[in-house]
Amino acid sequence: AQSVTQPDIHITVSEGASLELRCNYSYGATPYLFWYVQSPGQGLQLLLKYFSGDTLVQGIKGFEAEFKRSQSSFNLRKPSVHWSDAAEYFCAVGGNTGKLIFGQGTTLQVKP
Amino acid sequence: DGGITQSPKYLFRKEGQNVTLSCEQNLNHDAMYWYRQDPGQGLRLIYYSQIVNDFQKGDIAEGYSVSREKKESFPLTVTSAQKNPTAFYLCATIPGQGITEAFFGQGTRLTVV
Repeated sequence: AQSVTQPDIHITVSEGASLELRCNYSYGATPYLFWYVQSPGQGLQLLLKYFSGDTLVQGIKGFEAEFKRSQSSFNLRKPSVHWSDAAEYFCAVGGNTGKLIFGQGTTLQVKP
Repeated sequence: DGGITQSPKYLFRKEGQNVTLSCEQNLNHDAMYWYRQDPGQGLRLIYYSQIVNDFQKGDIAEGYSVSREKKESFPLTVTSAQKNPTAFYLCATIPGQGITEAFFGQGTRLTVV
């Protein structure tokens, strides 16, 4: 079955600290992987995506993610978190079927 | 401006009523999607359409209906058969029929009163 798991429902980090949000997926074919961010009451904004090639991808707002096929993971990282990064983050997987499957989301809280 | 417009932003429905959520796009994207978002459950796919006059059920299609008569429009009707319709609904588009990047509207919050 195709699925995405984000093990951490809620994460709190201090401003300036590093961040890693975990994402594991199950997908039968070559996966296309995405990270989105959502502010309260808003739509989703794409942070970064992986289709092929270099397994370390850079995104907007200083985020990066690493695709590890052997671990079926696509974890999101940021070296130094800013208060404005507080939001909900979604990992998603898709492919040639036309369906995009999302994880349950991780809520990030940033302490001053 | 190019984009995806969802309307209304807030919608209140009485029990037993059907309501229709609008999603319009001027991005010239082929595929359109409806997702439902509930706290702690992420986004769940309701329906999607990859071409005009064709659409497929997603994972939670029961109690919902859609149409795709025009490329620009993909309205979602929440029928009285949907027992728990209170949620945040998101419309998304993708340029082609395969997966690339999905673009999202700002959402409609539906509340049953």
